Amino acid sequence: RKEVEQDPGPFNVPEGATVAFNCTYSNSASQSFFWYRQDCRKEPKLLMSVYSSGNEDGRFTAQLNRASQYISLLIRDSKLSDSATYLCVVGFSGGYNKLIFGAGTRLAVHP
Amino acid sequence: GAVVSQHPSWVICKSGTSVKIECRSLDFQATTMFWYRQFPKQSLMLMATSNEGSKATYEQGVEKDKFLINHASLTLSTLTVTSAHPEDSSFYICSANKGQGSSPLHFGNGTRLTVT
Repeated sequence: RKEVEQDPGPFNVPEGATVAFNCTYSNSASQSFFWYRQDCRKEPKLLMSVYSSGNEDGRFTAQLNRASQYISLLIRDSKLSDSATYLCVVGFSGGYNKLIFGAGTRLAVHP
Repeated sequence: GAVVSQHPSWVICKSGTSVKIECRSLDFQATTMFWYRQFPKQSLMLMATSNEGSKATYEQGVEKDKFLINHASLTLSTLTVTSAHPEDSSFYICSANKGQGSSPLHFGNGTRLTVT
């Protein structure tokens, strides 16, 4: 079983749609959680951290369920510029920050 | 602006040659940097953790003699792919933690290596 699992997609949605991505992780010792965005042939860029209480940043809402070891990302009012691969990332501390990446979910927003 | 700089952005080399990739933290000191590799349509895979002033820690299945890591200063880590082969062609990305504890990582812009 992969440490971080995501639905690879692609999710093809029209502009303005709401889309949700899910992610599960296997290691209950995971301590930090993030969503990164990766555009084709580019490095990953941090979209948002994910907190236990859930958090929102504009059109993006992230949720964490530690009991179920489940993370979600909701994108409202999708824009063409949201088209990218969204990476679910789980971190372990212990002196330094080791991150485990999911394979990513590809989103394509069309006019 | 960028906080981690990686060079070169892309490189094409012949089979059997060695390629060095540099990763620099621009406005902070990084005692630890990470090297990832990503094949097309696959996840980033951690190759090794680069520790300033000591040996790198390699992930299982990564050959330390093939992927040489040097972290000689607090702002520079290098990855050398020795005796490169076509199967080493990949996207190599470094990262560093600017903050403490579980702060998110900052990534370099990546190096696309093509071995012919």
